[in-house]
Amino acid sequence: AQSVTQPDIHITVSEGASLELRCNYSYGATPYLFWYVQSPGQGLQLLLKYFSGDTLVQGIKGFEAEFKRSQSSFNLRKPSVHWSDAAEYFCAVGPILTGGGNKLTFGTGTQLKVEL
Amino acid sequence: NAGVTQTPKFRILKIGQSMTLQCTQDMNHNYMYWYRQDPGMGLKLIYYSVGAGITDKGEVPNGYNVSRSTTEDFPLRLELAAPSQTSVYFCASSYSGGDSHQPQHFGDGTRLSIL
Repeated sequence: AQSVTQPDIHITVSEGASLELRCNYSYGATPYLFWYVQSPGQGLQLLLKYFSGDTLVQGIKGFEAEFKRSQSSFNLRKPSVHWSDAAEYFCAVGPILTGGGNKLTFGTGTQLKVEL
Repeated sequence: NAGVTQTPKFRILKIGQSMTLQCTQDMNHNYMYWYRQDPGMGLKLIYYSVGAGITDKGEVPNGYNVSRSTTEDFPLRLELAAPSQTSVYFCASSYSGGDSHQPQHFGDGTRLSIL
């Protein structure tokens, strides 16, 4: 069965500091990987996605993620965090091949707090 | 540019009452989904649909029903509300066709409390 682990429930960083959010997945085939962000009271917004090609992918708001097949990881990074990045971040995995509903499995999320 | 619209945004129900959470999308997406989000649990899939007239169970379908009579609408029905159904509900949609599919787009959620 597929699963996603986000080992850090809460992370606090200072504004301007670098950020790395961890995501490990278990999937029986080539995965389609996503990072979503959720601001308080809002829905989920797609930050970036990966399913093939360059293993370092760029997303919106200055975020990037690196796919490491050997480690089954898809960690999210940002060089310099802004106070507006405070939110909850979700990693998700799904199938590349179409059909079967293209269902996603989500991690439990990492809550990011930014100290000014 | 509405995307995925959910109504209502908030609702309080009494135990045993019923209600329908509405979801509509204007992106002509063929796939639609209902999730519930509980603190520390991430999102759990309740039901999904791959097209009008076709629905299927997700991970946590008990206590819920859905229908998909049109491409745009995917309502979620709670027949006998229970406290365990207190949660935030998200509707999402995506396009899948040929050999590719696009990421899911989410609504802003419905916050439901059952007392």
